[in-house]
Amino acid sequence: KNQVEQSPQSLIILEGKNCTLQCNYTVSPFSNLRWYKQDTGRGPVSLTIMTFSENTKSNGRYTATLDADTKQSSLHITASQLSDSASYICVVSDRGSTLGRLYFGRGTQLTVWP
Amino acid sequence: EADIYQTPRYLVIGTGKKITLECSQTMGHDKMYWYQQDPGMELHLIHYSYGVNSTEKGDLSSESTVSRIRTEHFPLTLESARPSHTSQYLCASSEPATTNQETQYFGPGTRLLVL
Repeated sequence: KNQVEQSPQSLIILEGKNCTLQCNYTVSPFSNLRWYKQDTGRGPVSLTIMTFSENTKSNGRYTATLDADTKQSSLHITASQLSDSASYICVVSDRGSTLGRLYFGRGTQLTVWP
Repeated sequence: EADIYQTPRYLVIGTGKKITLECSQTMGHDKMYWYQQDPGMELHLIHYSYGVNSTEKGDLSSESTVSRIRTEHFPLTLESARPSHTSQYLCASSEPATTNQETQYFGPGTRLLVL
């Protein structure tokens, strides 16, 4: 069964600290993996996307890694800010064409305290 | 910032009412989607469209219907709302990508409460 599991479910950190969010998936065949940020009351916004051949991708203070062999990904946030408080969703696509299907994780709810 | 809009943002209605959730995008995208999302849960695809006059059911059994008469507009209709329909509804759109990196752009969502 194709699944995407994220951990932890929730996380509280102090402003300025770093954190790492995890995503494990069983989706096959694999096309790409995205991390989305979803602010409360808003739709998700894409942060990074990685294909099979990529093992790291950065977007400012966000760095995603991918190990396609172990089917694991992580999202590292450096020097956290209050605005980083959001839900971070891992999404895996099983195919690159327009017929591709997306599998969503339940998200990690990150809270950054001052 | 994606140019995709949803109205209303919040809606409280009584059981049995007919409602239509609006979704519009100004990016000229062919593909559009409706997702349902409950708090702390993953997004579930309920409808999608490849373009004008194309509508398909998603993975989640839904009592809603959609239409795609114009490229930019993809409304979702509930003929008779029930408390079980209480949820957040997210609309998204995407354009066919030349590589396997098609991006979906999401609207802000409609939070629906059925009493």
